[in-house]
Amino acid sequence: NAGVMQNPRHLVRRRGQEARLRCSPVKGHSHVYWYRQLPEEGLKFMVYLQKENIIDESGMPKERFSAEFPKEGPSILRIQQVVRGDSAAYFCASAQDSGNTIYFGEGSWLTVV
Amino acid sequence: ILNVEQSPQSLHVQEGDSTNFTCSFPSSNFYALHWYRWETAKSPEALFVMTLNGDEKKKGRISATLNTKEGYSYLYIKGSQPEDSATYLCATRGFQKLVFGTGTRLLVSP
Repeated sequence: NAGVMQNPRHLVRRRGQEARLRCSPVKGHSHVYWYRQLPEEGLKFMVYLQKENIIDESGMPKERFSAEFPKEGPSILRIQQVVRGDSAAYFCASAQDSGNTIYFGEGSWLTVV
Repeated sequence: ILNVEQSPQSLHVQEGDSTNFTCSFPSSNFYALHWYRWETAKSPEALFVMTLNGDEKKKGRISATLNTKEGYSYLYIKGSQPEDSATYLCATRGFQKLVFGTGTRLLVSP
């Protein structure tokens, strides 16, 4: 683990609640990626952010999902009005720039009951 | 959209066996190929980043090759050990993002 910190590691939400997942990248990294792993599937790209900018959100569901990476503080993946199908592991990764190795956090496991 | 295919889906070998996996990807708009090792309940660990056609990289008993013209990469493990048991992911970088294959699950029995 190269220092990407995700919290919470495990989160349980009831249907209709909001889930907020936080990601602190490796110090000095300004590129953040969010991936989702659904049961029995691989890592699916969701969004790519640089400081204060969304570069590519082509993998984000159109509704209820949003992401930000403010100038100060962690990147946040926000899921509003969660449904059971949102239950998954959400992985954050960071890189120093777009051409370098991408380092992953240990993931946040969201369970919607 | 990049489609990354990995084979086999899973592999079970005995300690000491050498093994290899394949990663296939579209050769157009290629920027880089990444290999990761992913153990259950841990974060994916970067193994290699490869960019040039014909590139070969090595890390201990693990090595990888890259053919960008035909769109494939091989990962080799020499003399597999039980601690090599993990899922091995490849990912290609297009313009901006990494697109992952579904991985090859390797189990090495003592």
